[in-house]
Amino acid sequence: SQKIEQNSEALNIQEGKTATLTCNYTNYSPAYLQWYRQDPGRGPVFLLLIRENEKEKRKERLKVTFDTTLKQSLFHITASQPADSATYLCALDQAGTALIFGKGTTLSVSS
Amino acid sequence: NAGVTQTPKFRILKIGQSMTLQCTQDMNHNYMYWYRQDPGMGLKLIYYSVGAGITDKGEVPNGYNVSRSTTEDFPLRLELAAPSQTSVYFCASNYLQGRNTEAFFGQGTRLTVV
Repeated sequence: SQKIEQNSEALNIQEGKTATLTCNYTNYSPAYLQWYRQDPGRGPVFLLLIRENEKEKRKERLKVTFDTTLKQSLFHITASQPADSATYLCALDQAGTALIFGKGTTLSVSS
Repeated sequence: NAGVTQTPKFRILKIGQSMTLQCTQDMNHNYMYWYRQDPGMGLKLIYYSVGAGITDKGEVPNGYNVSRSTTEDFPLRLELAAPSQTSVYFCASNYLQGRNTEAFFGQGTRLTVV
């Protein structure tokens, strides 16, 4: 079955720096990969989706890359702010059906 | 637009009791999911449904049952609650078209089994 690994459980950076989070997957390459943000006590909220034929996607200060050869996606937050502190989850489809998630990386941005 | 609505938000069950977690979405989404999230862990898929009348097991289905009689509703049934089922449960939905659209989540149900 498909497995997802988000390498860092926690990432601490200073305000203004770029945060880079990693998501690796095994087995087959999904048709798309998604990133979500989760705040404590809340459900995940969708941020970005990138398709297998897209190498990069941007939305404001967010950038996602997708390398199907390395089976990896990188999620970048530029000019990070304390309000960006949250847990970020990577998600992809399980054999084209259900959406499965990684364990997440908790980002802390200090001022 | 309500999105995905879960009830209840909190519940305490005694060992051996049963309960149903309710989930309703008003976006006409084909796919619906139930996940559980333990402290410091990611979302583990319990069951999912690709449409009314169709359900399938996820990674951790034991101790749970689901049904999908309508597009809108996807209740999760816990039979004979056990302490291992103490967790936060999230319901989610998304649209089948292209199978590449964002998933919307409910606010979660925090369940404690004592």
